[in-house]
Amino acid sequence: EAQVTQNPRYLITVTGKKLTVTCSQNMNHEYMSWYRQDPGLGLRQIYYSMNVEVTDKGDVPEGYKVSRKEKRNFPLILESPSPNQTSLYFCASSLWWGGRNTEAFFGQGTRLTVV
Amino acid sequence: KNEVEQSPQNLTAQEGEFITINCSYSVGISALHWLQQHPGGGIVSLFMLSSGKKKHGRLIATINIQEKHSSLHITASHPRDSAVYICAVRSTGAQKLVFGQGTRLTINP
Repeated sequence: EAQVTQNPRYLITVTGKKLTVTCSQNMNHEYMSWYRQDPGLGLRQIYYSMNVEVTDKGDVPEGYKVSRKEKRNFPLILESPSPNQTSLYFCASSLWWGGRNTEAFFGQGTRLTVV
Repeated sequence: KNEVEQSPQNLTAQEGEFITINCSYSVGISALHWLQQHPGGGIVSLFMLSSGKKKHGRLIATINIQEKHSSLHITASHPRDSAVYICAVRSTGAQKLVFGQGTRLTINP
């Protein structure tokens, strides 16, 4: 089954404790992206990757890191989480970016609480 | 002004009613997505459009590129259609989706 898998689904952590949210897709997609969703602000892009070893900042990259060492995985790293990073996070992928007929697939989301 | 505007923000209807959710955008796009998000759940892509109209079961999506407008219709609505519906556009020249604020739909039995 074609899917994007995020882990964990729920996470409560303390300020400053490094964490990683994993994202994996099994569709050989080139494009992957991370978004955060906050009430009243909607979904905003954090980072994206056009292919292996190619990553770039989205609209709200501060406090986050990503890596793309393999095509299937695109982890989101919070080196020193702060309470303002409490949010619902989504990973998404699509075959490639430029085409008119490339469907987007989303993970189930990770609800992160930083206390 | 947001680049993608949805209306209404909230919509409550009775089971069986015909539902329309609208999306207007101000940027050039290569495609438009309609997404569905259930409470506590993930996001599912319903449609991706670059022109015309698509139908899937009771759902119909249309887009008018000249008017920069898209609509999502639900026929014979059912309580299980209750969810947040999000319009998102692929803006030309930017490697990202730009999202509307979402429309919260509640269908009462």
